[in-house]
Amino acid sequence: GAVVSQHPSRVICKSGTSVKIECRSLDFQATTMFWYRQFPKQSLMLMATSNEGSKATYEQGVEKDKFLINHASLTLSTLTVTSAHPEDSSFYICSARDVNTGELFFGEGSRLTVL
Amino acid sequence: GQQLNQSPQSMFIQEGEDVSMNCTSSSIFNTWLWYKQDPGEGPVLLIALYKAGELTSNGRLTAQFGITRKDSFLNISASIPSDVGIYFCAGCSNTGKLIFGQGTTLQVKP
Repeated sequence: GAVVSQHPSRVICKSGTSVKIECRSLDFQATTMFWYRQFPKQSLMLMATSNEGSKATYEQGVEKDKFLINHASLTLSTLTVTSAHPEDSSFYICSARDVNTGELFFGEGSRLTVL
Repeated sequence: GQQLNQSPQSMFIQEGEDVSMNCTSSSIFNTWLWYKQDPGEGPVLLIALYKAGELTSNGRLTAQFGITRKDSFLNISASIPSDVGIYFCAGCSNTGKLIFGQGTTLQVKP
């Protein structure tokens, strides 16, 4: 079946560094991908909608200069957390919408820990 | 903005018991989805509901899309230890964005 892969699955970095997380749709094309953030024991919160070939649209309260999103191809979206701080430590999850069927599939998630 | 209220927040049941959880919304959704999330992993889709009043089953799971399009419930029958996890409802709007409920943590005692 359709699979969405995220890489890396876990990353630990020092405060002030930038971290890039990739979201790939492995056997379908996705013009739209979504990025979510999930803090411990909390629900998923939508951060932004990634649109292939155009700028991402961010949810209210999400800093676009802090969380850079690039959706350069129909199978890849990247989220870059710039100048990461400990409060950015979270579980980041992407989802991708199959352009043909409209089905939505989630990645396995990436756990970011900022020291 | 749109919000989903999911209840109960947590459940601790005996193996073999039935489980019920529900979500209500202050606004209408076109699609209701139920996901299960295991620790350290992304959510996995259990059931998708597309029409008001729709009742859909997936094995021991049954979910319904409320007539008003503002609520949904999920039932799990004859629970087993591997049902343990966090269950999320999610409503999908016209924009394609998913709004998630707060989650229901299920624990099953063998």
